[in-house]
Amino acid sequence: EPEVTQTPSHQVTQMGQEVILRCVPISNHLYFYWYRQILGQKVEFLVSFYNNEISEKSEIFDDQFSVERPDGSNFTLKIRSTKLEDSAMYFCASFRTSHIDEQFFGPGTRLTVL
Amino acid sequence: AQTVTQSQPEMSVQEAETVTLSCTYDTSESNYYLFWYKQPPSRQMILVIRQEAYKQQNATENRFSVNFQKAAKSFSLKISDSQLGDTAMYFCAFGQGDDKIIFGKGTRLHILP
Repeated sequence: EPEVTQTPSHQVTQMGQEVILRCVPISNHLYFYWYRQILGQKVEFLVSFYNNEISEKSEIFDDQFSVERPDGSNFTLKIRSTKLEDSAMYFCASFRTSHIDEQFFGPGTRLTVL
Repeated sequence: AQTVTQSQPEMSVQEAETVTLSCTYDTSESNYYLFWYKQPPSRQMILVIRQEAYKQQNATENRFSVNFQKAAKSFSLKISDSQLGDTAMYFCAFGQGDDKIIFGKGTRLHILP
């Protein structure tokens, strides 16, 4: 069964450093998302991406964040200068059509900012 | 804006019992989807069940079923014959079209041996 994959599973970084979280969505999917879950809190939407551009972003997704699909398979989330409060679980999700069927979630990347 | 509310932060039941998790939501839309996700200690998000708002019949998946009350904007999850492996955080969620999914705050469910 096709699945969304994410790497790394756990990333530890120093405050102020740049991190890139990687996702490989399911191959025939067209819509891509990043969500964030701070420990003990609910899952929050960060950004959606379609047709090689951002279609929606939340207020969390400020200038420190960026996304791209560099090679037609990977979907990346970059945080330019990490803060302590960026420590969270980051989930990538993808789905196929414009009618929501099921957003397939990746296993997540745990980001720890020291 | 759509909101999802889960009023039970934590619940505990004995193994083999039936448990119901509550969820209410608010939307002005008529066509949407509702979901229950399970998040075990590994923190992976696992889709348990989904309901299409235009379908009157309640969705079921093996031991999991929902009670969807569209007029009341209520979407509860029933777990029958609960098992130790059902211990997890459960999130109710709302989705529409290609829009983002909106999650509730979750209910932590403990299945006791």
